[in-house]
Amino acid sequence: EIVMTQSPATLSVSPGERATLSCRASQSVSSNLAWYQQKPGQAPRLLIYAASARATNVPARFSGSGSGTEFTLTISSLQSEDFAVYSCQQYSNWPLTFGGGTRVEIK
Amino acid sequence: EVQLLESGGNLVQPGGSLRLSCAASGFTFTTYAMSWVRQAPGKGLEWVSGISGNGGSTYYADSEKGRFTISRDNSKNTLYLQMNSLRAEDTAVYYCAKQLIVGATVFDYWGQGTLVTVSS
Repeated sequence: EIVMTQSPATLSVSPGERATLSCRASQSVSSNLAWYQQKPGQAPRLLIYAASARATNVPARFSGSGSGTEFTLTISSLQSEDFAVYSCQQYSNWPLTFGGGTRVEIK
Repeated sequence: EVQLLESGGNLVQPGGSLRLSCAASGFTFTTYAMSWVRQAPGKGLEWVSGISGNGGSTYYADSEKGRFTISRDNSKNTLYLQMNSLRAEDTAVYYCAKQLIVGATVFDYWGQGTLVTVSS
């Protein structure tokens, strides 16, 4: 199975600053990569699919990039509602696999 | 409005069985593949199983093969997960999730989750 590794595990950022999250695949997944946001006690929310396509109603401050094995989620200017856990998911091969998540916390 | 409502979670002893259900509404159920994704307490997301829109194709994570069975009843707009030989490590919130678009197994709608606890 394809192993997804996210870094860092925790990212401390001040409101208004830029956040850059990384996701690495153990083998190429082409652009078959999605990002989700999850807040405590809530289900995940799809942010990005096809590595860089924003899902419906996702603000433009969220952007995704990368292909192959290296991917990045960038939040250009963190808002209070963006502090959450972010997970990547590959859908290139079965079984589908998720990264362990990056927690974005208030600095 | 798309809604996914899971049920069936419970406390069960190791070795026991449980069937989860997910009632779907607000979209053409037969068009979309569906999956179960779980999250153990304090841990990340783990995909468990998926099924195509017509139910003809099923997929499983390696750790669940042979113990879990995914199915769907398109006449009832309902997704199921039959879980047998449950282990402590199966303890988690189980979410059902709808595929975004045909051909891309990413999930645009999720249920609220149902808690399965495996403990003696």
